[in-house]
Amino acid sequence: QKEVEQNSGPLSVPEGAIASLNCTYSDRGSQSFFWYRQYSGKSPELIMSIYSNGDKEDGRFTAQLNKASQYVSLLIRDSQPSDSATYLCAVNKHTGNQFYFGTGTSLTVIP
Amino acid sequence: DVKVTQSSRYLVKRTGEKVFLECVQDMDHENMFWYRQDPGLGLRLIYFSYDVKMKEKGDIPEGYSVSREKKERFSLILESASTNQTSMYLCASSLPLAGVETQYFGPGTRLLVL
Repeated sequence: QKEVEQNSGPLSVPEGAIASLNCTYSDRGSQSFFWYRQYSGKSPELIMSIYSNGDKEDGRFTAQLNKASQYVSLLIRDSQPSDSATYLCAVNKHTGNQFYFGTGTSLTVIP
Repeated sequence: DVKVTQSSRYLVKRTGEKVFLECVQDMDHENMFWYRQDPGLGLRLIYFSYDVKMKEKGDIPEGYSVSREKKERFSLILESASTNQTSMYLCASSLPLAGVETQYFGPGTRLLVL
């Protein structure tokens, strides 16, 4: 079983819509959760982190964490073409400080 | 602003060559990491380091070694490059924010081994 799983997509949404990206993780001991955005040919860029159950909002982005279901999601409101990228979910177990990454979900926002 | 730099954006090497990839961070981070990223396989951890002269194997260390002689610099070495090491190599360092480690990436080195 993979540590972190994401639907690879591609996910297509029209401009202005809400994009919903999902991630599940296998280890209940995981404590920190991150979303990275990666444009084609570029390196991952941190956009959100979340540590507690519930929602965390930052501008158009909302991260949601449900530890009981071992589920993390990212909502992007008012999606823009510039949001078109691959979104990586990452988990830090705090044991050994290793980070585990999903394979990413490709998002395309259609003008 | 966190700054992680890598010595090259693109490299072309021949099979059997020794290849050095360098990573430098300017934020006094203790933890540094080397990943490779391949389509469909995601990010895979090669090696990481918690401190100067310390190193730990990640998931795919075979064919690689690392060096950390100074805190700010973490080098990845391909002892004898092979075509299956053609990949995007990403260096990262991590910083504790509010007691939680947060990882930041360099721009990446795209390596082609012929």
